[in-house]
Amino acid sequence: GNSVTQMEGPVTLSEEAFLTINCTYTATGYPSLFWYVQYPGEGLQLLLKATKADDKGSNKGFEATYRKETTSFHLEKGSVQVSDSAVYFCALRHLTGNQFYFGTGTSLTVIP
Amino acid sequence: DSGVTQTPKHLITATGQRVTLRCSPRSGDLSVYWYQQSLDQGLQFLIQYYNGEERAKGNILERFSAQQFPDLHSELNLSSLELGDSALYFCASSVASSYNSPLHFGNGTRLTVT
Repeated sequence: GNSVTQMEGPVTLSEEAFLTINCTYTATGYPSLFWYVQYPGEGLQLLLKATKADDKGSNKGFEATYRKETTSFHLEKGSVQVSDSAVYFCALRHLTGNQFYFGTGTSLTVIP
Repeated sequence: DSGVTQTPKHLITATGQRVTLRCSPRSGDLSVYWYQQSLDQGLQFLIQYYNGEERAKGNILERFSAQQFPDLHSELNLSSLELGDSALYFCASSVASSYNSPLHFGNGTRLTVT
């Protein structure tokens, strides 16, 4: 079946540190992959996406590369800010289009 | 602004009661999804509608039901409420025809059952 596995949190980093949040997936075929961010008290917002192997999604300094060989879509940012404190969700959309599969979310806290 | 509107933002009610949550999808999106988010269980998929028809069911309790109307707005009905139903309920919409298209989420309805 289809599933997404995210690294467990919570993650606490100092400002300007490097961030990696691991995400691996299981799926038949070639799904589309997404990262969402949820700030406190808000809904999930699309952060970035990649729709085929070796695609790199990027937004607001965050990047993730669709790695088919390792079935991974790790989220990275070179220098985090306090304002990046949020919960991050990895997700896939299967080729058939109807279903989305979400990871359990990783809470990030950035301290000054 | 995602373009997905959910009302009400907050709802406080008693056990045994029934509530209705409402969602208006983004303009042009035919597919609506409902999710439940609680502290200990993450994001749980409940149900999906496409152009008025039910397309997929997830972990939706029999006490819960949903529908999508001809104008594409959707309602989630929760009945015989229990304390454990307290959660954030999100609606999301998407262009159903393309697997490249992401979900767009509303800001949720926070339900508190007392």
